[in-house]
Amino acid sequence: KQEVTQIPAALSVPEGENLVLNCSFTDSAIYNLQWFRQDPGKGLTSLLLIQSSQREQTSGRLNASLDKSSGRSTLYIAASQPGDSATYLCAAKPIIQGAQKLVFGQGTRLTINP
Amino acid sequence: DTEVTQTPKHLVMGMTNKKSLKCEQHMGHRAMYWYKQKAKKPPELMFVYSYEKLSINESVPSRFSPECPNSSLLNLHLHALQPEDSALYLCASSQPILRDTTNYGYTFGSGTRLTVV
Repeated sequence: KQEVTQIPAALSVPEGENLVLNCSFTDSAIYNLQWFRQDPGKGLTSLLLIQSSQREQTSGRLNASLDKSSGRSTLYIAASQPGDSATYLCAAKPIIQGAQKLVFGQGTRLTINP
Repeated sequence: DTEVTQTPKHLVMGMTNKKSLKCEQHMGHRAMYWYKQKAKKPPELMFVYSYEKLSINESVPSRFSPECPNSSLLNLHLHALQPEDSALYLCASSQPILRDTTNYGYTFGSGTRLTVV
């Protein structure tokens, strides 16, 4: 059974710092791994989708990596801004016959201090 | 169009009421999902529709009744809910696994904040 873990649960850093959020998964048999952002009381916004065959994806100040052999993904945020404050969720799509499930981590609540 | 639209954004209902949540997407996705999310927790899967047929029901109580009238619409009918059902309800869509594509990325709506009184 696929399990996804995100550490730390909460992170507070000063504005301008570069930071890394971690996501680990127990089963490397995945179609992809997706990073989402969620503001309080809002829906999930997709940030980056990394296919199983890819090593990384980049969008603006965000870079996500995937290492299936070690069961890890990281989300790198460069030059953090107060507007980056949100909860970040990673989710893996397991390769299971007939399955349509996404397995979420518990999320990292990020606060960027001005 | 790369959005999933959910209505209403907020809903307050009594325990004897009947209401419906609506979800619409025009991305050509043939898998649609209902999730329930409690505060400070990740979303929990409730139902999955694949090609307009219910493929997964995660042992959800019968007071929640999903419906998929066509490939673009997904409804969640609510009846005789309990206060503990108060949560953020999220709709999502993607391509189903059996579709000939490798892009199974999910798109989520902005959610309906449901309060049961």
